[in-house]
Amino acid sequence: NAGVTQTPKFRVLKTGQSMTLLCAQDMNHEYMYWYRQDPGMGLRLIHYSVGEGTTAKGEVPDGYNVSRLKKQNFLLGLESAAPSQTSVYFCASSYNRNQPQHFGDGTRLSIL
Amino acid sequence: KNQVEQSPQSLIILEGKNCTLQCNYTVSPFSNLRWYKQDTGRGPVSLTIMTFSENTKSNGRYTATLDADTKQSSLHITASQLSDSASYICVVTSGGYNKLIFGAGTRLAVHP
Repeated sequence: NAGVTQTPKFRVLKTGQSMTLLCAQDMNHEYMYWYRQDPGMGLRLIHYSVGEGTTAKGEVPDGYNVSRLKKQNFLLGLESAAPSQTSVYFCASSYNRNQPQHFGDGTRLSIL
Repeated sequence: KNQVEQSPQSLIILEGKNCTLQCNYTVSPFSNLRWYKQDTGRGPVSLTIMTFSENTKSNGRYTATLDADTKQSSLHITASQLSDSASYICVVTSGGYNKLIFGAGTRLAVHP
């Protein structure tokens, strides 16, 4: 089992460019999440999904969109990248809300 | 305001020694408390999950305690190893699945 796989691992963008981060899980989990991790701060939830075809906003959703067209995939989109979105992005999945979340190894994104 | 505070921010210990990391929270309503280990450049990995009724839980050399009255938790590491060098993150879950409040973590370095 690969667990949770994130692509790409690194990316540098210019302000105003758009991109999509891909998260794939092979554990048949219903719940999937996107977080960002900034220095000196705890992880913050951007968006989450409780099943195929559903998405919901987390704590810091502005500037991001998500889609969950297939149960195993959760996509995070940046419509018009801004320097404030420079961060490490983590995807996670869980069987249900009471089970531990399994995290990918992150995407390091720099916006110039 | 829901908050999770961890101390110390960083800690250096010698291999073979024990250490204790602290987590204080002001989260309501409380659902469960989790400890994660995050190696440099990797995603967090779950160590323990404790509900309101549990006051201690072990995972190998890691033992977590929870005092729901004082809203404090600790993570005790016994006979530390070089591989224990990582950040340890305390997470408190409140109510629904989108209410995970992450601490900023304690960075532990184990030296030979």
